Amino acid sequence: GAVVSQHPSWVICKSGTSVKIECRSLDFQATTMFWYRQFPKQSLMLMATSNEGSKATYEQGVEKDKFLINHASLTLSTLTVTSAHPEDSSFYICSAEGAPNSPLHFGNGTRLTVT
Amino acid sequence: AQRVTQPEKLLSVFKGAPVELKCNYSYSGSPELFWYVQYSRQRLQLLLRHISRESIKGFTADLNKGETSFHLKKPFAQEEDSAMYYCALVGYSGAGSYQLTFGKGTKLSVIP
Repeated sequence: GAVVSQHPSWVICKSGTSVKIECRSLDFQATTMFWYRQFPKQSLMLMATSNEGSKATYEQGVEKDKFLINHASLTLSTLTVTSAHPEDSSFYICSAEGAPNSPLHFGNGTRLTVT
Repeated sequence: AQRVTQPEKLLSVFKGAPVELKCNYSYSGSPELFWYVQYSRQRLQLLLRHISRESIKGFTADLNKGETSFHLKKPFAQEEDSAMYYCALVGYSGAGSYQLTFGKGTKLSVIP
C-alpha cells in the first residue's frame, strides 16, 4: 500500500516552455505533499510544502512564480515549471504524507532536461 | 532498475543500546547513498552521505558493496534519536542523468 505515482518520469523540453509534473497518491489521501529537487552530487532540497486546498509554502530562494504548485485534491499535487531554462534541468521528486507525522511516501521522481 | 529496501518499518531500542537501521540497495553501477531523517513535526533533513564518510550525531554508515548495504549505526541510542529514517540512493547514468530512489523508511523509537 501507500503508493505515490509521479508523472512523467522523464521529460525533455525546449527553453521557454512550461512543464507540468504530477504527483498522485494512489491508495491514500495525502493531506500534505512535498516537492524536492535533487542536484547532482548534492543532497535533496525541499522546494515547497503543499497542503490540499491552500497555497503552497515555498522555501527561501525558491521562486513561487516559476515553480507553480497546485494541490487541488487530496490525491493530486502538480508542479509546473514555467518558462523553463537549462538551469532548471534537474531531478524533481515529490513525497506525500497521509496524516501529520506519518511516514513519507516518495514518488519515483521526474527527470527534467531543458534544452 | 534501482531499488532501496529498508526491511524494518519500526525499530524500538532502549536508551543506551546500540542501533542499526538496515538499508539494502540494488543498483548495477556505483551508487551514491544517503540517510535522511525526519524528526517529529519537522521537515526531512540530510543525516549523512556515504561519500563524506563522516559521523553525524553519533551515527555512521558504511557502504558495503559486497553486501549491497548501507546500514546506519549508532553505538548508544538517545531519546532524541527517535524519528523516521529514510535511506536513499542516487544512481548516475550516462549523459549526466541520474535518479533518486527512497526506501520506505524505518521508524526508530528509543525507549527511556
